[in-house]
Amino acid sequence: DAGVIQSPRHEVTEMGQEVTLRCKPISGHNSLFWYRQTMMRGLELLIYFNNNVPIDDSGMPEDRFSAKMPNASFSTLKIQPSEPRDSAVYFCASRPGLPNTEAFFGQGTRLTVV
Amino acid sequence: KNEVEQSPQNLTAQEGEFITINCSYSVGISALHWLQQHPGGGIVSLFMLSSGKKKHGRLIATINIQEKHSSLHITASHPRDSAVYICAVNPPDSSYKLIFGSGTRLLVRP
Repeated sequence: DAGVIQSPRHEVTEMGQEVTLRCKPISGHNSLFWYRQTMMRGLELLIYFNNNVPIDDSGMPEDRFSAKMPNASFSTLKIQPSEPRDSAVYFCASRPGLPNTEAFFGQGTRLTVV
Repeated sequence: KNEVEQSPQNLTAQEGEFITINCSYSVGISALHWLQQHPGGGIVSLFMLSSGKKKHGRLIATINIQEKHSSLHITASHPRDSAVYICAVNPPDSSYKLIFGSGTRLLVRP
């Protein structure tokens, strides 16, 4: 398996623009996570899906952020409109459905909003 | 006080040295994870443990549940071990949430 695949790897956009980050989890993994990493706050969970259903979105910063998982092999994280403070590295991770199992992380998307 | 504390924050070692990174946590846990992040790269899960000790190659992770403490050891360190090492715990009331430490930045000089 190729692992968790994220795209794009890097994104530079202007404030106010819509940004869409994409993730393909490992086949057969039932759980998918979106994390954000910044120097100030470290790694933060944004949203957790189980079997394509959002279970916990309490970490989504505000209404400008939305995430979808239309099927088991694809998820998106959208920011509209983007702001400079959204600049961070966004990671997608997946794991098998069993609790307390290791998660597999993608390479991340480095987002810069200017 | 952070729920997961790592020490040291930064560590520089010479190639070949034995390295220890520590993680202390103040909450109950169901599991503890050690993650590795190379500069500009993704995050790799090294270990998940809930008791005792695990070993993969030159890496050893131990956990003492009573003392709420875990250590990550690297034997015969190599420059390619240079990375940020992150400790994270699963609280017992949530099988999916992770509480992350702030990471230990390791530099191994040749």
